[in-house]
Amino acid sequence: DAGVIQSPRHEVTEMGQEVTLRCKPISGHNSLFWYRQTMMRGLELLIYFNNNVPIDDSGMPEDRFSAKMPNASFSTLKIQPSEPRDSAVYFCASRDTGFAYNEQFFGPGTRLTVL
Amino acid sequence: AQSVAQPEDQVNVAEGNPLTVKCTYSVSGNPYLFWYVQYPNRGLQFLLKYITGDNLVKGSYGFEAEFNKSQTSFHLKKPSALVSDSALYFCAVRDDGGYSTLTFGKGTMLLVSP
Repeated sequence: DAGVIQSPRHEVTEMGQEVTLRCKPISGHNSLFWYRQTMMRGLELLIYFNNNVPIDDSGMPEDRFSAKMPNASFSTLKIQPSEPRDSAVYFCASRDTGFAYNEQFFGPGTRLTVL
Repeated sequence: AQSVAQPEDQVNVAEGNPLTVKCTYSVSGNPYLFWYVQYPNRGLQFLLKYITGDNLVKGSYGFEAEFNKSQTSFHLKKPSALVSDSALYFCAVRDDGGYSTLTFGKGTMLLVSP
């Protein structure tokens, strides 16, 4: 298996632009997680899906952020409009919820820079 | 609510010496405990986990962790550190509930000097 796939790996954009980050989870995994990592705040859970349904989006910082999972093999995280403080590394992770102790698998991340 | 504490921002150890990275946790139900490692410019990589049973868990790259229920700790250990072990280490916990998510500590940077 190729693992969790994220694209793009790097994104540089200007303030006010729309940014879309993409994630393909591991085949057969039915939970998907979006995280943000910064030096100041560490690793933050933004939202997670179970069987394509958003279960908890309390970590989404504000209405500028939205996430979708239209099918079991694809998810997007969108920021519109983007701001410099959104600069961070965004990780997607997936998990097979067949057993409660199954671990999450992380993608390589998307490094977002908003100028 | 569940929580994880990694009391050290950084641990320094000389190559060949044993290392310990500390983690304590709080959870309402039975804990499932995990250690992840993050190398520079990479995603988090699973190292090992505690489910139940033997308190000493062995994982990847020679790492092991000791579960201590009375002290609510899950310290990561390795008998002999390598320079290549230098990375950011995260401890995480979840309870055995159906929809509970992983709660991560803030991470501990391990620096192994030659």
